[in-house]
Amino acid sequence: DAGITQSPRHKVTETGTPVTLRCHQTENHRYMYWYRQDPGHGLRLIHYSYGVKDTDKGEVSDGYSVSRSKTEDFLLTLESATSSQTSVYFCAITGTGISTDTQYFGPGTRLTVL
Amino acid sequence: ILNVEQSPQSLHVQEGDSTNFTCSFPSSNFYALHWYRWETAKSPEALFVMTLNGDEKKKGRISATLNTKEGYSYLYIKGSQPEDSATYLCAFVNYGGATNKLIFGTGTLLAVQP
Repeated sequence: DAGITQSPRHKVTETGTPVTLRCHQTENHRYMYWYRQDPGHGLRLIHYSYGVKDTDKGEVSDGYSVSRSKTEDFLLTLESATSSQTSVYFCAITGTGISTDTQYFGPGTRLTVL
Repeated sequence: ILNVEQSPQSLHVQEGDSTNFTCSFPSSNFYALHWYRWETAKSPEALFVMTLNGDEKKKGRISATLNTKEGYSYLYIKGSQPEDSATYLCAFVNYGGATNKLIFGTGTLLAVQP
């Protein structure tokens, strides 16, 4: 298994509170991604990073921000959580930006916003 | 918006049956197609990456074909076993899109009854 951990694994929070999810990798991979998974939608890209301090938006980035200050850590922040952000969040990594490169996924974080 | 569709949404088969399902994607600007296998409570795991029209990949009892001109890929499982029960995801990468941004279908849920 690729060395990817996510924390926390489960979180329940209230609407309006800030939440930060962490993805940590030990593979020294350059590219990291945050996805959310919802019934009927599959996996949708929120943000991705192509290096330290280099990030870009995915298809569902509204309401989310990210930061990458070290190669191994990619943080996803919900500035003010809403019930529509209740979801399972997956981090993924890949060594290169080549589109045939496999993405390796973390175990997921289940977030519930009440 | 690029759309990737998978059918059927779910499939129930008996152990020993062979089965197949479909991933449909835009035929223009094709770059690559990924197949992932996702077991319940685990992370998605890569099966295949396909790039060439007419390509066929095989891994044990699982194989996949690719038709980029008409925009579809088939995944076949020969002699299904209970351990094949999982959701099978395909993900499309379009030429000219941002680096390694996968657009996922919603998956086909396969349940194999012993």
